[in-house]
Amino acid sequence: AQSVTQLGSHVSVSEGALVLLRCNYSSSVPPYLFWYVQYPNQGLQLLLKYTSAATLVKGINGFEAEFKKSETSFHLTKPSAHMSDAAEYFCAVRRRAGSYQLTFGKGTKLSVIP
Amino acid sequence: NAGVTQTPKFQVLKTGQSMTLQCAQDMNHNSMYWYRQDPGMGLRLIYYSASEGTTDKGEVPNGYNVSRLNKREFSLRLESAAPSQTSVYFCASSDKQGQGLSNQPQHFGDGTRLSIL
Repeated sequence: AQSVTQLGSHVSVSEGALVLLRCNYSSSVPPYLFWYVQYPNQGLQLLLKYTSAATLVKGINGFEAEFKKSETSFHLTKPSAHMSDAAEYFCAVRRRAGSYQLTFGKGTKLSVIP
Repeated sequence: NAGVTQTPKFQVLKTGQSMTLQCAQDMNHNSMYWYRQDPGMGLRLIYYSASEGTTDKGEVPNGYNVSRLNKREFSLRLESAAPSQTSVYFCASSDKQGQGLSNQPQHFGDGTRLSIL
């Protein structure tokens, strides 16, 4: 069974600083990988997805993630944090062949300090 | 451009009461999903419907039933609510998971916040 581990349930950064949210997956075959963002009292919104076309994936709001097969990682980064980035972020994985199910990590809450 | 619509947004129930959570999508998606979100647990899949007329259990199906009423609508029913079912429930939909489309993301509603006393 595949799983997703997000290191750090809560990350704080200063406004303008680098954002790094970590995600590691366990799967024998590189899966499809997604990052979602959830703002307070809202549903999840897709930030970006990895589908093997390129290892560096650019998403919305200036976020990007790099797929590293050797490290089984798909970390999310943004060069300069904005106050509006404060939210909870979820990494999710879907097995490549024939699966409808997404497996989510437990989430990382990002706080941005002015 | 509604996307995925969930009703109600909030509900308080007493233990033992029954309730149906409604979900509708207007994106002509084939697949629909119900998740629950609990603090520190991420999202866990309750049931899903790969296509109209089919439903399958997810990770935490006990205490729930679902109905895929038509292509647009997928409801979740609690027959006898228990305090352990206090949670935020999310419905999602995605396009057909056929060959070449397995990377389609899921689109989420804004959730139903359910409290069971």
